[in-house]
Amino acid sequence: NAGVTQTPKFRVLKTGQSMTLLCAQDMNHEYMYWYRQDPGMGLRLIHYSVGEGTTAKGEVPDGYNVSRLKKQNFLLGLESAAPSQTSVYFCASSYSRAEKLFFGSGTQLSVL
Amino acid sequence: SQQGEEDPQALSIQEGENATMNCSYKTSINNLQWYRQNSGRGLVHLILIRSNEREKHSGRLRVTLDTSKKSSSLLITASRAADTASYFCATVETTSGTYKYIFGTGTRLKVLA
Repeated sequence: NAGVTQTPKFRVLKTGQSMTLLCAQDMNHEYMYWYRQDPGMGLRLIHYSVGEGTTAKGEVPDGYNVSRLKKQNFLLGLESAAPSQTSVYFCASSYSRAEKLFFGSGTQLSVL
Repeated sequence: SQQGEEDPQALSIQEGENATMNCSYKTSINNLQWYRQNSGRGLVHLILIRSNEREKHSGRLRVTLDTSKKSSSLLITASRAADTASYFCATVETTSGTYKYIFGTGTRLKVLA
């Protein structure tokens, strides 16, 4: 099993550009999450999904959109990137609510 | 938003010594989890302790939970250089039927060989 796979691992964008981060899990997990990690801030939840076709806002959803068209995939989109979105993005999944999270290796995004 | 707070922020010890990290939180929880993050990598789950448990062990890890003080501690015994990493606590809180994971800012542990 690969677990949780994120692509790409690194990306540099110019302000105003758009991009999509892909998260794929092969553990048949219902729950998937997108977090961002900034120095001194811990992990903050952007959006999450409790099953195929569902999404919900987390703590810091502004400027991001998500889709969960297939159970194994959770996409995070930035429509118009801003320097404040420079961060490390992590995808995670869990079998059920409140259980342990499995994390991907992260995407380092720089917005210039 | 509310966050777990780890203490200390950074810890440097010699190989073979024990390392203790603490986590405090503010609300009622379903469970509390500890994760490790090596530099440049994703978080890896270490241990989960439920609100009705007081202590849990896993290999060289010992976690305690005191819900009256809203605090938890992670003890790593006989530390190794490979334990060098950041350690995060995450509280799982229930709000209106939904579950939220609240991560702290982490403790950076350095184990010197």
